[in-house]
Amino acid sequence: GAVVSQHPSRVICKSGTSVKIECRSLDFQATTMFWYRQFPKQSLMLMATSNEGSKATYEQGVEKDKFLINHASLTLSTLTVTSAHPEDSSFYICSARDPRGSGLTQYFGPGTRLLVL
Amino acid sequence: QKEVEQNSGPLSVPEGAIASLNCTYSDRGSQSFFWYRQYSGKSPELIMFIYSNGDKEDGRFTAQLNKASQYVSLLIRDSQPSDSATYLCAVNPNTDKLIFGTGTRLQVFP
Repeated sequence: GAVVSQHPSRVICKSGTSVKIECRSLDFQATTMFWYRQFPKQSLMLMATSNEGSKATYEQGVEKDKFLINHASLTLSTLTVTSAHPEDSSFYICSARDPRGSGLTQYFGPGTRLLVL
Repeated sequence: QKEVEQNSGPLSVPEGAIASLNCTYSDRGSQSFFWYRQYSGKSPELIMFIYSNGDKEDGRFTAQLNKASQYVSLLIRDSQPSDSATYLCAVNPNTDKLIFGTGTRLQVFP
């Protein structure tokens, strides 16, 4: 399968700071990437769809000014959690849609665990 | 009604048995179906995808799709303790997004 990386894998920060998470597709170009959040023992929650060269599409209830998404190239999307608070502590996972084959398969990055103190 | 439904489990099967994981979906226009495996504390990894009615086999895994019944399943033959994980069913209803079920937790005991 295709390879998607995420960095950092784990981050601890103080309340009020901003945290940037990078998602890269390593062996394919991804015009579309997705950002998910998962709280312990809960299901994946889609936050936003990231499209290369255009604005991200946010799901209902997700604050676009708090979760800034930039998809500046065909292999990189970034999620910035601005002014993070303890309730933002979660497991953030990106996925990239592989345009090869059916063009519908999503491959996930390894995730970033964010802890806001 | 949830768009993609799965029994949360846990589904417990003995080592060597067949594990059967089921998923139903509500959007009749859905065309693509995916099974992901998620170990505790890790991100999901793709196991299989299926687009056509019938069975699709890959090693110990078989995906089954019945669009008329809006039903997709995953069979795991010769289950191993290392198969213990949460299995996520995902459906693409002709949009950019995948709609995920809440997952079924599988426990394979020795």
